[in-house]
Amino acid sequence: NAGVMQNPRHLVRRRGQEARLRCSPMKGHSHVYWYRQLPEEGLKFMVYLQKENIIDESGMPKERFSAEFPKEGPSILRIQQVVRGDSAAYFCASSPQTSERTQYFGPGTRLTVL
Amino acid sequence: RKEVEQDPGPFNVPEGATVAFNCTYSNSASQSFFWYRQDCRKEPKLLMSVYSSGNEDGRFTAQLNRASQYISLLIRDSKLSDSATYLCVVNFPPGNTPLVFGKGTRLSVIA
Repeated sequence: NAGVMQNPRHLVRRRGQEARLRCSPMKGHSHVYWYRQLPEEGLKFMVYLQKENIIDESGMPKERFSAEFPKEGPSILRIQQVVRGDSAAYFCASSPQTSERTQYFGPGTRLTVL
Repeated sequence: RKEVEQDPGPFNVPEGATVAFNCTYSNSASQSFFWYRQDCRKEPKLLMSVYSSGNEDGRFTAQLNRASQYISLLIRDSKLSDSATYLCVVNFPPGNTPLVFGKGTRLSVIA
């Protein structure tokens, strides 16, 4: 049973470009969460999605950031017009339908903005 | 206010030592508590959930003190492989999401 998968593992973008981060939850999991971790900082919740629905986006910046979890395919975290401050590790986690509490993390995508 | 506070450490302990970490949380209505460990530049991995009655998993013991709003993690007979950052994680109602992560306590076990 494959764990949570994220790609790419490393992403380099220049200021102003777009970054797309993908997350495939564990098999049988229908809840996806995105977190951001800045260097030497803790994980900060960004958004919680179920298939085709955003449940909680209280941690998402109001501009440039968006997330989706379509009926088919992975969840996508999209960052438009990236700035240097967006450089961070972005982790995706998933949990099963029966329990929202325990979350399992993917390996993360390390975004570097030049 | 959603706060989970941990001593950042580092805790430097010799192999075989017993070490304990505490974590305080700000919301008295929180219901779900976890310890995760995170190795350098890796993803967090669930270590254990924390139950009201306390729970033990091998060398690891977790306890919850609701009155004082803190949870603890005790590691006995420390191994070199225990070196990591330990993250305290708490839910803030309503609902079980989102979880709030502490910044972590860094542990180094020294030979």
